[in-house]
This record gives sequence, C-alpha cells and structure tokens, in this order.
Amino acid sequence: AAGVIQSPRHLIKEKRETATLKCYPIPRHDTVYWYQQGPGQDPQFLISFYEKMQSDKGSIPDRFSAQQFSDYHSELNMSSLELGDSALYFCASTSGGTLRTGTPYYNEQFFGPGTRLTVL
Amino acid sequence: AQSVTQLGSHVSVSEGALVLLRCNYSSSVPPYLFWYVQYPNQGLQLLLKYTSAATLVKGINGFEAEFKKSETSFHLTKPSAHMSDAAEYFCAVSHGGKLIFGQGTELSVKP
Repeated sequence: AAGVIQSPRHLIKEKRETATLKCYPIPRHDTVYWYQQGPGQDPQFLISFYEKMQSDKGSIPDRFSAQQFSDYHSELNMSSLELGDSALYFCASTSGGTLRTGTPYYNEQFFGPGTRLTVL
Repeated sequence: AQSVTQLGSHVSVSEGALVLLRCNYSSSVPPYLFWYVQYPNQGLQLLLKYTSAATLVKGINGFEAEFKKSETSFHLTKPSAHMSDAAEYFCAVSHGGKLIFGQGTELSVKP
C-alpha cells in the first residue's frame, strides 16, 4: 500500500539558510499535518491543510511557511534557520471529510518517515 | 484544553512479562485517544485508537488499551513482551483534528 512520502530524508543546512521540506500524502487523502519533533521530545503540531486551505496553526515560527498544492502535496518552507530548528519533521495525511460534516476528528493520521534537519 | 500525560519516561520489562504503559488525559469533551509507536529513525505507527465505540480497544501486535472515564486513563497493555516491542510509545489526543502528544515512554525489553 502507498504510504506518505517525505523528501528529503536528511538535510544539513547552515544557520540563516533556507530549507524546503516536501510531503506527498497517500492518494485520495486531502488533509496534511506537519509536526516537529526535537531531540528526545514529543512531536509538536505546526500547521495543517485541508483541501489546499490552511485549517489549523500551532506553534510554527513566523520564519516558517507552508502550503498545499493542487495535487495535495505540501511543502514546508523554513527561512533564517537557527540551531534550534534542528529536529525531525513529520508529515501526516488523512482523509479530512469530517471537517466539513462536523463528525468527530478521529480519522487515523498516517505518518511519513520524517525529514531529519540538522542546522550547523 | 486537551492534553495527555504519560507516567514514566522509561519502562523496562523482561521478555515475556506484562507491558503496562500509562497515559492519563485531560479533556472537557469526550476525547479521541490514540497510541502510536516509534521505532528508531522511523515515523509514527498507529497501534490503536479510542473513538467511544468500545472502552476496551484492541490494536496491532497484541496491544490493547482500556478507556476509563472515572480515572481519565487510557493505559496500554500487552500480556507478553517481545524483544521487537522495544521502541518509543506515544499517547495522543485529537484536538480539532491535530494530535496532542504525551511526552513518550521508552520501552526496553530485556532477554
């Protein structure tokens, strides 16, 4: 079965550089979530998209931006990188039809393998 | 606000012993709860989820969890640990779609 694809898997950047992380959801999934997991920490929600529109926003720095494209893939753009941005970045996808119907949000989120970003 | 708390950042059991990983939740509305497992350098895999259909939830790899409203708990158990169960386990609650994770519990299994 197709899974969530993230690229690149590993990325090394210098401080103040920019980085772009890509996420390709499972086919027919219309909702994408981004999470950041620092070393030894739990994943923290950054931002989400449903049908190419931002649906929720968490503790995402202003230096970061993201979007979901017409083919439902999503990109997380990170500028002015700082040492503290070094983390594992996960993308998760699901079918978000419940967001419009009002039914409960318990659809399983399928996680990608993550992109490990190291800022030097 | 919804949150989950995992008691014990590290749990060590012997192979064949009972696994018990603790999770307590805080929620003003009926919660939707999840347990995820993370193996080293891998993504998160869903073990099981509680969506109010049944209080005892069975998941993959022999794991199960029981939702106890009176105790605001959703502990994860497995009768007999295998070496392959060694991993990081996260309890999570759905808050408007996004997942709010606990701090994680690292399970180690001794031969």
